[in-house]
Amino acid sequence: DAKTTQPPSMDCAEGRAANLPCNHSTISGNEYVYWYRQIHSQGPQYIIHGLKNNETNEMASLIITEDRKSSTLILPHATLRDTAVYYCIVRVGGAGGTSYGKLTFGQGTILTVHP
Amino acid sequence: NAGVMQNPRHLVRRRGQEARLRCSPMKGHSHVYWYRQLPEEGLKFMVYLQKENIIDESGMPKERFSAEFPKEGPSILRIQQVVRGDSAAYFCASSFPGATNEKLFFGSGTQLSVL
Repeated sequence: DAKTTQPPSMDCAEGRAANLPCNHSTISGNEYVYWYRQIHSQGPQYIIHGLKNNETNEMASLIITEDRKSSTLILPHATLRDTAVYYCIVRVGGAGGTSYGKLTFGQGTILTVHP
Repeated sequence: NAGVMQNPRHLVRRRGQEARLRCSPMKGHSHVYWYRQLPEEGLKFMVYLQKENIIDESGMPKERFSAEFPKEGPSILRIQQVVRGDSAAYFCASSFPGATNEKLFFGSGTQLSVL
């Protein structure tokens, strides 16, 4: 799976948008971008994933550049409860793929949302 | 629909004792993964199981650790003769078989403390 690079920490004011970047310059054509987050002392939580099109769900939006070498996770209206470590993970998609659910977690970005 | 259930939430063992960690996947999920998070470190994949089969145990320490996922009942991660270095948070995740883009659903973890 391709390696990802994320800033170690970011701050965001409550109610503002949080934009978390991720670089994955060695991504392959069949690799998807996944985002998970881990709130302190809890298990990771799936947020969103995408291949090349921008994606949006009830939690966040994912913007992937045209060359797919980087992406941005957007939390449109951050709340205090969004304070967590956010992990950008690139892995081969598709059931039965060799990487299935074997995720490689990096250090992630510690997002702190302040009042 | 209950999520991934792990128990116990906290487990204290003395050096040399055995630790048994249990994981009940989400309803309908037959793929189970175990991850370990050492203090101040990221999550590391340990093992991937399907019912009655170990698919990938490449992240399991060679000795003292074993995992099973029987036909009936929860998945068990067993650590024999625990040492202080085994102190960590152990997370279980499950997924739905055959999903095109496999999302993992994590439990709240078991915090193992070895005295």
